[in-house]
Amino acid sequence: KQEVTQIPAALSVPEGENLVLNCSFTDSAIYNLQWFRQDPGKGLTSLLLIQSSQREQTSGRLNASLDKSSGRSTLYIAASQPGDSATYLCAVKVASGTYKYIFGTGTRLKVLA
Amino acid sequence: EPEVTQTPSHQVTQMGQEVILRCVPISNHLYFYWYRQILGQKVEFLVSFYNNEISEKSEIFDDQFSVERPDGSNFTLKIRSTKLEDSAMYFCASSTPGQGSPSNQPQHFGDGTRLSIL
Repeated sequence: KQEVTQIPAALSVPEGENLVLNCSFTDSAIYNLQWFRQDPGKGLTSLLLIQSSQREQTSGRLNASLDKSSGRSTLYIAASQPGDSATYLCAVKVASGTYKYIFGTGTRLKVLA
Repeated sequence: EPEVTQTPSHQVTQMGQEVILRCVPISNHLYFYWYRQILGQKVEFLVSFYNNEISEKSEIFDDQFSVERPDGSNFTLKIRSTKLEDSAMYFCASSTPGQGSPSNQPQHFGDGTRLSIL
């Protein structure tokens, strides 16, 4: 059964710092992996999607990498800003004909001004 | 940018009552999903819907739950005889078809409906 873990659970950094959020999954046979941002009381905003055949994806200050063999993905945020404060979730779509994403518990990020 | 919209944003219902949560997916999307997030817990998949039928459901999605696409724009989740443990945030999501099946396109989520069962 696929399990998704995110470390750390919470992170507080000063503005301008580069940071890395980690996501690990137990079954390497994934179809793709998606990173989301969740603001308090709000829905999930899709940030980046990495297909199983890809190693990384970039969007602005965000870079997500995927290492299927080790069951890991990282989300790199460059030059963090207070507006980046949110909970970041990773989710994996397991291969073999499933439509669902399996989510991690998230990393709650606070960027201090 | 097109977005998934959900109504109401907050629903308060007495235990045992039926509730219908509504979603308008992005207009050119063909795959639709419901997820829920109990306070402090992970987001959990409930059901996916494609071509007017359920394509996959989780063990959470029992006979108490049903989904429907009553017209060309709405996608609903009905919960019959609600229980206290149904209190959660319910998210609707949609995606376009892509290469392969299931879709390899990102799922786009709405802001959710907070369901409170009293």
